[in-house]
Amino acid sequence: GAVVSQHPSRVICKSGTSVKIECRSLDFQATTMFWYRQFPKQSLMLMATSNEGSKATYEQGVEKDKFLINHASLTLSTLTVTSAHPEDSSFYICSARPLGNEQFFGPGTRLTVL
Amino acid sequence: EDQVTQSPEALRLQEGESSSLNCSYTVSGLRGLFWYRQDPGKGPEFLFTLYSAGEEKEKERLKATLTKKESFLHITAPKPEDSATYLCAVLNSGGSNYKLTFGKGTLLTVNP
Repeated sequence: GAVVSQHPSRVICKSGTSVKIECRSLDFQATTMFWYRQFPKQSLMLMATSNEGSKATYEQGVEKDKFLINHASLTLSTLTVTSAHPEDSSFYICSARPLGNEQFFGPGTRLTVL
Repeated sequence: EDQVTQSPEALRLQEGESSSLNCSYTVSGLRGLFWYRQDPGKGPEFLFTLYSAGEEKEKERLKATLTKKESFLHITAPKPEDSATYLCAVLNSGGSNYKLTFGKGTLLTVNP
């Protein structure tokens, strides 16, 4: 139980294009979903928190116009990196929280912007 | 501000050599302390939640314990497949956003 999927697992794009990453909770309804990014050999950095049907809450320093988050249903959240640039290259990981305190993480998406 | 410090940063063990990883935390009110395992290029895998001092949880060769200031992840007779980065995180009891504060992790390598 508590399986979270992400798609795609890996994406390479040209600078200036937009990329959409999907996060799905497969066997539970997620009260809250979270988006993180992780740089090599560093811990997870929370980007934003989203609740179904509400606007996402972004962490300080995260550009909400660049990282668009949509949480359309209790099992699906999307992160769109708009006008991506090489500095946006990173490992993006989502997590989902059912009714309890635990967060369950997806397998991550490796974004490379050329 | 909540803080989580994990030590050591890296640990090398021989197969069968038991040891412990440390997670020290500062939080105004603890709702829960979480341990995750992360393999390279993958998302964290949930291991344990601990809620109160004195609590212990076990899973195979892993045992997590909790005091009011720190948590330990004990690894008994580790195998090479236990090699991974182990992450500790705390959830503050204040607020309703369920944001986790993570430590930087301990990279464990178990040699055969």
